Amino acid sequence: DQQVKQNSPSLSVQEGRISILNCDYTNSMFDYFLWYKKYPAEGPTFLISISSIKDKNEDGRFTVFLNKSAKHLSLHIVPSQPGDSAVYFCAASVEGDKYIFGTGTRLKVLA
Amino acid sequence: DTAVSQTPKYLVTQMGNDKSIKCEQNLGHDTMYWYKQDSKKFLKIMFSYNNKELIINETVPNRFSPKSPDKAHLNLHINSLELGDSAVYFCASSLYGTGGTEAFFGQGTRLTVV
Repeated sequence: DQQVKQNSPSLSVQEGRISILNCDYTNSMFDYFLWYKKYPAEGPTFLISISSIKDKNEDGRFTVFLNKSAKHLSLHIVPSQPGDSAVYFCAASVEGDKYIFGTGTRLKVLA
Repeated sequence: DTAVSQTPKYLVTQMGNDKSIKCEQNLGHDTMYWYKQDSKKFLKIMFSYNNKELIINETVPNRFSPKSPDKAHLNLHINSLELGDSAVYFCASSLYGTGGTEAFFGQGTRLTVV
């Protein structure tokens, strides 16, 4: 039972445009959500997070939106840069328990 | 300085062997984890330790045994390796657990069982 889903395995975006990565979850008890970025042969690195009491968190070019009623999370990258090309994982946790990860979306930003 | 370091980066071994992967964090975090990324790229938690105490043990075969000599180290020992154990194993740490804090990951250990 996959509680965190990223239904798009890949996404290609032109440099300078907006990248939107989506994540859906099934467990309404999740209270903390994170996005990680992963380059080949490296571990995931933390990008941005959001608590369930918020619906938006912004950090520079990265914004995470949370829609609790739809159990949907999205990451917006504006403007997209070639260095953003990586695999993006969303993750969720409940009450300090383990992180549960989605299967990732491979973003390719075209120059 | 590397925050979470794991060794070795690559490990190729034969079926039936016993091997260990070491992990160390210099962040002063209380909680450490082992994750497995399988061929489908799915990152799944295996174990979680808080201050040397096991707090999460997912449905992992008994052949996998974590050892935490102190809160900065969490090693993973695997007995009687099987072909299906081939995967990338990531160590991670977080300050207090997953509640409101992010985890920092090591670079991964690619284990290949032949």
